[in-house]
Amino acid sequence: GDSVTQMEGPVTLSEEAFLTINCTYTATGYPSLFWYVQYPGEGLQLLLKATKADDKGSNKGFEATYRKETTSFHLEKGSVQVSDSAVYFCALSVGNYGGSQGNLIFGKGTKLSVKP
Amino acid sequence: NAGVTQTPKFRILKIGQSMTLQCAQDMNHNYMYWYRQDPGMGLKLIYYSVGAGITDKGEVPNGYNVSRSTTEDFPLRLELAAPSQTSVYFCASSAQPKYSGANVLTFGAGSRLTVL
Repeated sequence: GDSVTQMEGPVTLSEEAFLTINCTYTATGYPSLFWYVQYPGEGLQLLLKATKADDKGSNKGFEATYRKETTSFHLEKGSVQVSDSAVYFCALSVGNYGGSQGNLIFGKGTKLSVKP
Repeated sequence: NAGVTQTPKFRILKIGQSMTLQCAQDMNHNYMYWYRQDPGMGLKLIYYSVGAGITDKGEVPNGYNVSRSTTEDFPLRLELAAPSQTSVYFCASSAQPKYSGANVLTFGAGSRLTVL
């Protein structure tokens, strides 16, 4: 079945360090890929997405490129800030719309802590 | 614009008690979802709905029930609470996606449930 695997956490970095959070997926169709972020005490919110191979999603300095050949969607940021401390979830959605599909399949999440 | 509103934020139940988690959205979204989030396990889909009067099981539906009498509301009912249902519950909604990349979920802030 469809699944998402992301790197185990927690990840602890110093401010201005480079961030990579690995995400790989298995899907039978042509998925869209997402990164969601969960700040402490809040629900998840969309960080970025990519809908086809070689697309790059970007937002708030974060980037991820949809790599079909390696089935990956790694999240990167060149210089993290303390305010980036959160849990990051990789997710995929495979379409079968017109029917009852619609939910996302999430990875287990990676907790990032950024120290001043 | 409130988005997705969940109540209560916290609740402690005794084994065997029942309760309803409320979820309401004001974005006129057709699709609504209930997820549970367990530490280190990501999010698991409990139930979802593609419109008023239509609900379907997700990955982990046992011990739960839902109804969708209006577009706005999607309550989750726990019957005979068990310690295994201790979790954080998230409600989410999305507009009816025409393709997988359009399936952007808006999440509520979560309801933390403890069963003792």
